Order: sequence, then C-alpha cells, then structure tokens
Amino acid sequence: AAGVIQSPRHLIKEKRETATLKCYPIPRHDTVYWYQQGPGQDPQFLISFYEKMQSDKGSIPDRFSAQQFSDYHSELNMSSLELGDSALYFCASSGQPGQARGETEKLFFGSGTQLSVL
Amino acid sequence: GIQVEQSPPDLILQEGANSTLRCNFSDSVNNLQWFHQNPWGQLINLFYIPSGTKQNGRLSATTVATERYSLLYISSSQTTDSGVYFCAVEQVYSGGGADGLTFGKGTHLIIQP
Repeated sequence: AAGVIQSPRHLIKEKRETATLKCYPIPRHDTVYWYQQGPGQDPQFLISFYEKMQSDKGSIPDRFSAQQFSDYHSELNMSSLELGDSALYFCASSGQPGQARGETEKLFFGSGTQLSVL
Repeated sequence: GIQVEQSPPDLILQEGANSTLRCNFSDSVNNLQWFHQNPWGQLINLFYIPSGTKQNGRLSATTVATERYSLLYISSSQTTDSGVYFCAVEQVYSGGGADGLTFGKGTHLIIQP
C-alpha cells in the first residue's frame, strides 16, 4: 500500500538559510499535517490542511509557511533558519472519503526529514 | 491546552513479558491514537481509540473516556517492540477543521532478548 512520501530524507543547512520540505500524502487522503520533533522530544503540531485549505495552526514560527497544492502534495517553507530548528520534521495524512469514522481519523506518518542547521 | 501524561516514562522488560502503558488526559477528547516510534524514527499508527477496546494481534488498547485515560497492552513482548510509545489526543472542539493531535512525552520501552 502507498505510504506518505517525504523528501528530502536528510537536509543540512547553515544559519539564516532557507529550506523547503516536501510531502506527498497517501492517495485520496484529504488532510495533511506537519509536525516537528526535536531530539528526545514528542512531536509538536505545526499546521494542517484540509482539501488544500489551511485548517489549523499549532506552534509554527512566523518564519515558517506551508501550502498544499492542487495535486494534494504539501510543502513546508522555512526561512532564516536557526540552530534550534534542527529537528525531525514529519508529514502525516488522514481521511479517505467513504470510509467509516475511525479509519478517516487515523494519522499515517511519513519517514520524516531530518534537518540539521549548522 | 489539554495535558497528556504517559506512564511509566521508561520500561525495560525481558522478551516474552507483558506490559501495560498508561495515558491520562486532562480534558474530554474526541480523538485518541497510539503510535509506536521505532529505533529508526518511524511513527507507526497502532490504534485509533477515542473510546472502547480494540485488539490487533499481541496489542490491545482500552480507552475509558469518562475517566480520561487509555491503556495499551503488549503481550509476549518481542525485541522488535522496542521503541517509544506515544499517546496523542485531540480535545473536544466545537469548531470544524483538521486539528492537530497533542502528544504525550511517551513511554520508552526496551525489550531485552
């Protein structure tokens, strides 16, 4: 079965640089989420999109922005990178029209992008 | 915001042992999920269980929503069960939209051969 695809797998940037992370949700899933997980920490919700519209915002810095495109893939754009932005960034997707409630709510995560800011 | 507390924070067991992981949450929820993060960092969805009981092989989960806790049972542990187990919840919310889950700090489980 198709899973959530994230790219790149690893990314190394310098301070003050920009980064773009990409996410391709499971086909027919209508909701995409972005999470940030620091070393030894639990995942923190950043932002979500439902049917290509921003749905909810969590602890996303103003330096970050995201969007979902017509083909449902999503990109997280990060500017003026700081050392503290070094983390594992996950994309997750959920929702499949026609499924019973419970199945549509389950989040499926990609393998993540490990961002290191030097 | 809602508080999610997981216990124990760390657990070391021998292969074949059984374990119970607990998740307490501070407010009513309409979404509760259990995840396993393996040593390679992958987050695997184990259960969507805002209430009731579910079983999947050696794993089962029970959520008592009225008492604001959920339990994850692992029977006949295997070394591949090692990793961090997260409970994540979504608070009951009157608005619509796809709200993010709030994760607990996790239980770090080590299964020794």
